[in-house]
This record gives sequence, C-alpha cells and structure tokens, in this order.
Amino acid sequence: QIQLVQSGAEVKKPESSVKVSCKASGGNFNNYVINWVRQAPGQGLEWVGKIIPILAMPTYAQIFQGRVTIYADKPTTTAYMELSNLTSKDTAVYYCARSLSGTYHFDNWGQGALVTVSS
Amino acid sequence: DIQMTQSPSSLSASVGDRVTITCQASQDITNYLNWYQQKPGKAPKLLIYDASNLETGVPSRFSGGGSGTDFTFTISGLQPEDFATYYCQQFDNVPITFGQGTRLELK
Repeated sequence: QIQLVQSGAEVKKPESSVKVSCKASGGNFNNYVINWVRQAPGQGLEWVGKIIPILAMPTYAQIFQGRVTIYADKPTTTAYMELSNLTSKDTAVYYCARSLSGTYHFDNWGQGALVTVSS
Repeated sequence: DIQMTQSPSSLSASVGDRVTITCQASQDITNYLNWYQQKPGKAPKLLIYDASNLETGVPSRFSGGGSGTDFTFTISGLQPEDFATYYCQQFDNVPITFGQGTRLELK
C-alpha cells in the first residue's frame, strides 16, 4: 500500500524559510512524480511544483520561481519542498501528492503539513 | 496560465439526488482534466482522471465527461458521504491549475 507521510506543522517568522518533507513507502519511487500543492485557510488548491526523483528534475509554478526548491532523496524515498522569504500569504496546508511517471492525476496524497507564518 | 472556472460554487442537494458540476477551461485542454473530492481537514481524493475514467475503488455513481473546454462531473444518487467540496484540475499545461471548488451541501 502506497503511503506518503509528511513532516509536522511549522510556525515560521516572516522572511524565514520552511522545509517540508514527504516520505514515500510502498511502490517504486523511481516511477513516481511528487507534486506539491498548497491550500490557504478556507481557500482552493494551488500547485506549487513537482519533482521527478529518478531524473532529479524539478518544475515550478512561475509564481514561486526563485523562492521554492523541490528535490528528492532516492535512498530514503523522501521528497522535500523548501519555500523561502515567507510572508503571511504563505500560511497554508502543504500537501505532497503522487502521480505515476507519464500520468498527471494525483492518486495518493500526504496528510498535509500546516505552515503558519506569523510574527 | 489556464483558468478553470467551476460552477456552481456551492450547491444544496438531498440524498438520492443527481447533481452535476461543470468546469470550463480558458483554452482547449483536450481531455487533460481530473476531478477530486475533499472533505474538511482531509487531503483531496482522486475520483475521475482523464475527464471520464473512474479511479479504482471509486463508486460508479460518480462520472465525468467532456472534452476541449467544457467538462461535467455528475453524482447519480447522492449518498450522505458525498457531501464535500469538489475540484477540477487541468494538466494540459504547466502550471497545473484547479477550479475554485464546488461545495456540495445537504439541503
């Protein structure tokens, strides 16, 4: 059974950075694409970017370019998303979600990690 | 970016009803569209992929259709566990974008 388990909630100061992890178990990590999606309180879903672990190739949404880094550690089957220069607008639940290589539907999701940015 | 417009934004219905949600893309996305269900405090759950394919384990009362710019999502015979928020998602172009969501409430 495929599981994505994320790191816990974080409280960060404005202008700081946060790193959220997503550990995958079950299945073949080499066939995965790990996507990151965020959801601000009471709002909809927003795609942040993705990583193809076997290629170590990230793709980012333009609005996050320069602030986000997504990468994966194949030996530990863990993906990471780092977001820098945080503002209150970055307060959200951050989800990792898997799609299989060559597909674009997110069939397994992590439980989410709440990131709160507050002074 | 491709804009996804869902309607309605909220919907009241009763158990047993048939409900339909529409999703319109700002440009042709062929069939590159998925539908998700989200319940409060939970991660989204994939229901329909590639516009009309039912994800494994999802009940057959859920269905999707459409192509190009106009898509539909239908629940035939609402069950109590179906009251949730539903999102469409396009993957024709990066950035992947979602509709704003449709909140389905019990009448």
